[in-house]
Amino acid sequence: NAGVTQTPKFRVLKTGQSMTLLCAQDMNHEYMYWYRQDPGMGLRLIHYSVGEGTTAKGEVPDGYNVSRLKKQNFLLGLESAAPSQTSVYFCASSYSLNPGSTQYFGPGTRLLVL
Amino acid sequence: AQSVTQLDSHVSVSEGTPVLLRCNYSSSYSPSLFWYVQHPNKGLQLLLKYTSAATLVKGINGFEAEFKKSETSFHLTKPSAHMSDAAEYFCVVSSGGYNKLIFGAGTRLAVHP
Repeated sequence: NAGVTQTPKFRVLKTGQSMTLLCAQDMNHEYMYWYRQDPGMGLRLIHYSVGEGTTAKGEVPDGYNVSRLKKQNFLLGLESAAPSQTSVYFCASSYSLNPGSTQYFGPGTRLLVL
Repeated sequence: AQSVTQLDSHVSVSEGTPVLLRCNYSSSYSPSLFWYVQHPNKGLQLLLKYTSAATLVKGINGFEAEFKKSETSFHLTKPSAHMSDAAEYFCVVSSGGYNKLIFGAGTRLAVHP
């Protein structure tokens, strides 16, 4: 039982390049989330998904797209990377949408955009 | 609207002494509150959570937190710090709806020998 895994662990991009971050969970959770973490700040929600084929915007969605083609996977895409997207990206999943339902986090992807 | 304020950005303690990490929250209804820990270059691990049951919540690794509605606080404590407790700690409130988590800015705990 690996929990939540993220690929890759670290990536360097040039401005304007594109990439996709992959999140996978093996807990059969319906709900998945993408966050970014910047220095001196807590995590902020980018996008989330309430089930296969459904996604929604979070707090800071601009410049990102997501897809949930399979229940266990949640992809985060950057179509044209910008230096402002340099950050650490965390994926999470939960069994329920109820407040108080624990979100389980992956180990993170560190992205540097030059 | 929900918000979280962690009152100290850095806390430094000696090994074996008590730990207190302070958190105040703002919520228009009864909140769900969490403490997560992040060790260097690692993901976030749940320490404990409060979901309107007992106000004193016990978590992993000897940590506990007390929900005080009158003070809108959810401070994290541990009687005796260990070197392995050195990490960043986040106080988090769940805002309902789609279980949106609102994070505090974090408190970095340093433990000295």
